[in-house]
Amino acid sequence: GQQVQQSPPASLVLQEGENAELQCTYSTTLNSMQWFYQRPGGRLVSLLYSPSWAEQRGGRLTSSAASNESRSSLHISSSQITDSGTYLCAMEDTGGLSGKLTFGEGTQVTVIS
Amino acid sequence: EAGVTQSPRYAVLQEGQAVSFWCDPISGHDTLYWYQQPRDQGPQLLVYFRDEAVIDNSQLPSDRFSAVRPKGTNSTLKIQSAKQGDTATYLCASLPGLGVFEQYFGPGTRLTVL
Repeated sequence: GQQVQQSPPASLVLQEGENAELQCTYSTTLNSMQWFYQRPGGRLVSLLYSPSWAEQRGGRLTSSAASNESRSSLHISSSQITDSGTYLCAMEDTGGLSGKLTFGEGTQVTVIS
Repeated sequence: EAGVTQSPRYAVLQEGQAVSFWCDPISGHDTLYWYQQPRDQGPQLLVYFRDEAVIDNSQLPSDRFSAVRPKGTNSTLKIQSAKQGDTATYLCASLPGLGVFEQYFGPGTRLTVL
């Protein structure tokens, strides 16, 4: 089946104000991709959604994709302590209009002062 | 608009016990998904519905898990005889309709099987 690999794996520690880039690599052709944020015990919140290989922006977050490499990135600029949490990417493949998402394992981001 | 709601928020069971999880999607969303999210992992799809019909339940452990959405609105996921390996958070998500793939998630039900 489809696989989604996230990097950096598992966890990332940032100094407040630093920028960061998270990446996802997909094993198959992408129809759309979505980046989610989750606090411990909290619900998954959609950050950015891209229906195709397009750059999306939302405040200090930017997602971009490289279709020829089946890869997407989430760029966090000027990180803040409140950005701490787990970031997950998810892909919807081109196999049909199902909306079925395959998730990566997530990257736990900790922003320290 | 109200978001996706789930209940209960937490459940603790002994192995062999049964449990049901309930999900109320966003009004008007015709597609509903159930995911299982083990600790420190990403969610994995179990089953999804369009209206009252099951579209894909290939990842649902059919011998112990069942899911229904009888009127195409609320949905129930049931585990008949829980195992320790079922310990996870169970997430419900809904989608407005075909051609729109931005899913909205509920808060989840955290299940612990002792």
